[in-house]
Amino acid sequence: QQQVKQSPQSLIVQKGGIPIINCAYENTAFDYFPWYQQFPGKGPALLIAIRPDVSEKKEGRFTISFNKSAKQFSLHIMDSQPGDSATYFCAASTIGSGGYNKLIFGAGTRLAVHP
Amino acid sequence: SAVISQKPSRDICQRGTSLTIQCQVDSQVTMMFWYRQQPGQSLTLIATANQGSEATYESGFVIDKFPISRPNLTFSTLTVSNMSPEDSSIYLCSVAPTGYSYEQYFGPGTRLTVT
Repeated sequence: QQQVKQSPQSLIVQKGGIPIINCAYENTAFDYFPWYQQFPGKGPALLIAIRPDVSEKKEGRFTISFNKSAKQFSLHIMDSQPGDSATYFCAASTIGSGGYNKLIFGAGTRLAVHP
Repeated sequence: SAVISQKPSRDICQRGTSLTIQCQVDSQVTMMFWYRQQPGQSLTLIATANQGSEATYESGFVIDKFPISRPNLTFSTLTVSNMSPEDSSIYLCSVAPTGYSYEQYFGPGTRLTVT
């Protein structure tokens, strides 16, 4: 299955809270799982990525937790700030029909961090 | 990293016409991708446009409708042909300078409205 299922669709937290965004997949051939952040009117920007043989990765306030057996991974944003308000996409890397690597994106989560 | 610019940033076109979108990268990269994103929605890969080979199109996208050129390692164009209102969307190009598809750098997008 070439899908990545993302939830929730939207999320509202207070400043300092820890929003958690979840993603699930079926294809065990996916080899990298990145998260992208997109602000209105801009292209997505890579935030953090993890390999399936690693259970957790931290970069600054952003943490990916990865559960290979459950085929699930999640993004945690520590000490969230109003500037983190954006749309977040999980994704998975795989080989496409033409033999080239490509990304499959989740549906996106619109995060609002209130001051 | 890579800095990507797109032209035009937005356009309003009439049904039945064609629009060519340009994507310029500030460094030489092999892997380039074209995406479509409905406002507030996820990203859908249109095609992979690696220099030196024909573009590889995803299911649901055909060369006659979305011809792509990739004349060198810093430039590509996507043409949206014989447009209909259903083609109204944001079109984004991206590159993967490290050769890993999970690490993509996106342009700001071209917002197309077809009337």
